[in-house]
Amino acid sequence: QVQLQESGPGLVKPSETLSLTCTVSGGSISTYYWSWIRQPPGKGLEWIGHIYYSGSTNFNPSLKSRVTISVDTSENHFSLKLSSVTAADTAIYFCARHLWGGMGPFDSWGQGALVTVSS
Amino acid sequence: EIVMTQSPATLSVSPGERATLSCRASQSVSNYLAWYQQKPGQAPRLLIYGATTTDTGISARFSGSGSGTEFTLTISSLQSEDFAVYYCQQYDNWPRTFGQGTKVEIK
Repeated sequence: QVQLQESGPGLVKPSETLSLTCTVSGGSISTYYWSWIRQPPGKGLEWIGHIYYSGSTNFNPSLKSRVTISVDTSENHFSLKLSSVTAADTAIYFCARHLWGGMGPFDSWGQGALVTVSS
Repeated sequence: EIVMTQSPATLSVSPGERATLSCRASQSVSNYLAWYQQKPGQAPRLLIYGATTTDTGISARFSGSGSGTEFTLTISSLQSEDFAVYYCQQYDNWPRTFGQGTKVEIK
């Protein structure tokens, strides 16, 4: 069974860049779409963007100007960069796999990584 | 962007009773609708996709219905492990969007 694990700094200063990596184990990153989703503490879920193993991407327009998602198939991981962060970007960041290799719902999730934006 | 609206925000139910959760889309999403369960400190878990199909390993207590703009998640007989927050999500249009969640609590 595939497992996903987020990693990266838990504290980022305002105006700097948030960087997270999602390592996939128990399965190949190939032939699937992979997403980043975030959840401010005590609030709902917001889809950030996705990447296909080939490198094609799609982003939420609300974040598109600040988001980069990349994939490394040799390392079986994909990464998120969010630039110019503010306190509003404080959230739990989840990585997730799309069901069946399509762009549909999310059938596997990482445990989440809390990222706090504060000086 | 398609706005997903869930009701009620909180549902108080006694164990063994049926729970009915609603999700409305601001425009048709056909049957491209998923339901997730989230417990405190955990990631969401996929319950239902295609509006009506139960994901692998999910209890038959969970069922989904609806199409277009109106959807329902039914939990037939609530067990202690079912008390959680439930989210609907559309995957018909970009960006993918979620409802704000319904918290199912013990009455």
